[in-house]
Amino acid sequence: SQKIEQNSEALNIQEGKTATLTCNYTNYSPAYLQWYRQDPGRGPVFLLLIRENEKEKRKERLKVTFDTTLKQSLFHITASQPADSATYLCALDQAGNKLTFGGGTRVLVKP
Amino acid sequence: EPEVTQTPSHQVTQMGQEVILRCVPISNHLYFYWYRQILGQKVEFLVSFYNNEISEKSEIFDDQFSVERPDGSNFTLKIRSTKLEDSAMYFCASSSNRDTLENTFGSGTRLTVV
Repeated sequence: SQKIEQNSEALNIQEGKTATLTCNYTNYSPAYLQWYRQDPGRGPVFLLLIRENEKEKRKERLKVTFDTTLKQSLFHITASQPADSATYLCALDQAGNKLTFGGGTRVLVKP
Repeated sequence: EPEVTQTPSHQVTQMGQEVILRCVPISNHLYFYWYRQILGQKVEFLVSFYNNEISEKSEIFDDQFSVERPDGSNFTLKIRSTKLEDSAMYFCASSSNRDTLENTFGSGTRLTVV
């Protein structure tokens, strides 16, 4: 069966450190993988997209890697700040018409 | 920055009633979506819409649901005969480009069926 797994345990991290989140998937062949941020009671906000033929993508303090052999993406927040506290969702796109989301990982950055 | 606007922010309805959730996508976007998120669960795809017709729909999107783009700006989700299990956050999203699927989501409508 198809699965997208993110660490369901909250990630507590000290301000200034790097947060690393994992997204693993099985029985998918995504063309793209996307990362979104979701705050409580709000809709997801797009952060980064990485294509299947790309290994790494960066945007400001964010970095995403994509390993289609391991079927895994890593999401890094460097120099984390309390304002980075949120739930981070990975989403796979296979068919070009819809996103399939993981369950998200909550990040709490402590000052 | 352009936004996807959803109304109402919260809707309470009696079981068996019909509800219409409204969305105004970003004006130059061509692809429109509805997703839902039951409390504490994943965001789930419901339906995608392009060129005035449904492109794809999930198993959740049965005959109880319908979508419409009645004019050039609004995109609606109708749920007929609501059930308790329809209680969820419903998110509208839009994208300009099918190939990248960088979605802009609205803030959602919290639907509570009692």
